[in-house]
Amino acid sequence: GAGVSQSPSNKVTEKGKDVELRCDPISGHTALYWYRQSLGQGLEFLIYFQGNSAPDKSGLPSDRFSAERTGGSVSTLTIQRTQQEDSAVYLCASSPLLENTEAFFGQGTRLTVV
Amino acid sequence: KQEVTQIPAALSVPEGENLVLNCSFTDSAIYNLQWFRQDPGKGLTSLLLIQSSQREQTSGRLNASLDKSSGRSTLYIAASQPGDSATYLCAVNGGLSGGSNYKLTFGKGTLLTVNP
Repeated sequence: GAGVSQSPSNKVTEKGKDVELRCDPISGHTALYWYRQSLGQGLEFLIYFQGNSAPDKSGLPSDRFSAERTGGSVSTLTIQRTQQEDSAVYLCASSPLLENTEAFFGQGTRLTVV
Repeated sequence: KQEVTQIPAALSVPEGENLVLNCSFTDSAIYNLQWFRQDPGKGLTSLLLIQSSQREQTSGRLNASLDKSSGRSTLYIAASQPGDSATYLCAVNGGLSGGSNYKLTFGKGTLLTVNP
């Protein structure tokens, strides 16, 4: 079966532009996470979704960042008015449930803001 | 706030050696702990998941242990091979005492190099 799919794999954008990053989780997985990995840094939690519950947005670094998950499946992370410090690899993961189940990661989207 | 620390930050060993990677976390109220592998420029590959009620998990040459009360986990790699070279990440699920918190908190990883 297919794993977690992220698109695009690479994105170069000009400072100030908006970008959308897409994540297709594994079919049937109700939990979905977004993380950010900056060069030389660890993984930074951004947001998670679990079924129809309100998402935990506590990791979003500013109001320029938002995410939605439509129909409990595909998720889109949107960054408005991108800044150079937004350059990083954005990783998406899904799991069958939030607790006590294995999380599976996509290959990530490498975002470069120039 | 849950914090995860991995020691050492980097490790270089000759092929064939057995090795141990360490992970510690500050809040023991976790749901599970997961070890991942990350190759350069790639996503994360799940290696082992240990539930909070378990003490260890094994997969091939890998063995992960969990001592929840002391906030520690180890990943043991037997008979290391050059193909094992990668960054190994430890992540804990949960740990916000008194509340629900399902996010994975990651350590910064151990960069392993296995020399032929």
